[in-house]
Amino acid sequence: KQEVTQIPAALSVPEGENLVLNCSFTDSAIYNLQWFRQDPGKGLTSLLLIQSSQREQTSGRLNASLDKSSGRSTLYIAASQPGDSATYLCAVKNTGNQFYFGTGTSLTVIP
Amino acid sequence: GAVVSQHPSRVICKSGTSVKIECRSLDFQATTMFWYRQFPKKSLMLMATSNEGSKATYEQGVEKDKFLINHASLTLSTLTVTSAHPEDSSFYICSASGGGPNSYEQYFGPGTRLTVT
Repeated sequence: KQEVTQIPAALSVPEGENLVLNCSFTDSAIYNLQWFRQDPGKGLTSLLLIQSSQREQTSGRLNASLDKSSGRSTLYIAASQPGDSATYLCAVKNTGNQFYFGTGTSLTVIP
Repeated sequence: GAVVSQHPSRVICKSGTSVKIECRSLDFQATTMFWYRQFPKKSLMLMATSNEGSKATYEQGVEKDKFLINHASLTLSTLTVTSAHPEDSSFYICSASGGGPNSYEQYFGPGTRLTVT
């Protein structure tokens, strides 16, 4: 069964810093990988989706990379802002259309 | 973009009663809908997968008689928590895929907070 792990579990940085969130998965036979943001008590907002054939995706200050063979993905956030404070979840989708979620990284950006 | 709604957003019910949560895809037809459960400060746990017009596939450890899932149309799936108990209190999130701007992508609802007293 696919297992998805995110490191670190929590991260606190001063405003303006660049940061990297890590996601690893045990089964490299994935269909795609998606990064989400979740605010407290809210649902999920999709940030970036990387197909298994892709290496990276970019949206604004966010860049996500995927190394399928090593079972790793990173989410890079440039010039962090207090509004970026949230929990970030990565999820991998296998060929059976199931999503496996990581444990999440709780990010706090200090003004 | 594709929008998924859930109703209600919050519900409080008494122990022993049943509660129904609706998940709707508002602007696309969802051939597949997923139900997740999230415990406080934990990640999402997939409960079941449902395809329109067929029975849901439940994950190991999820009681199908307790968590009834119906996906009768391409835009609506319902989760009914039967004979709810306090340990069923949780955040339930649905997602849908199949017809949005990117048919391979899952679109998530805003979640429903269930509290059983």
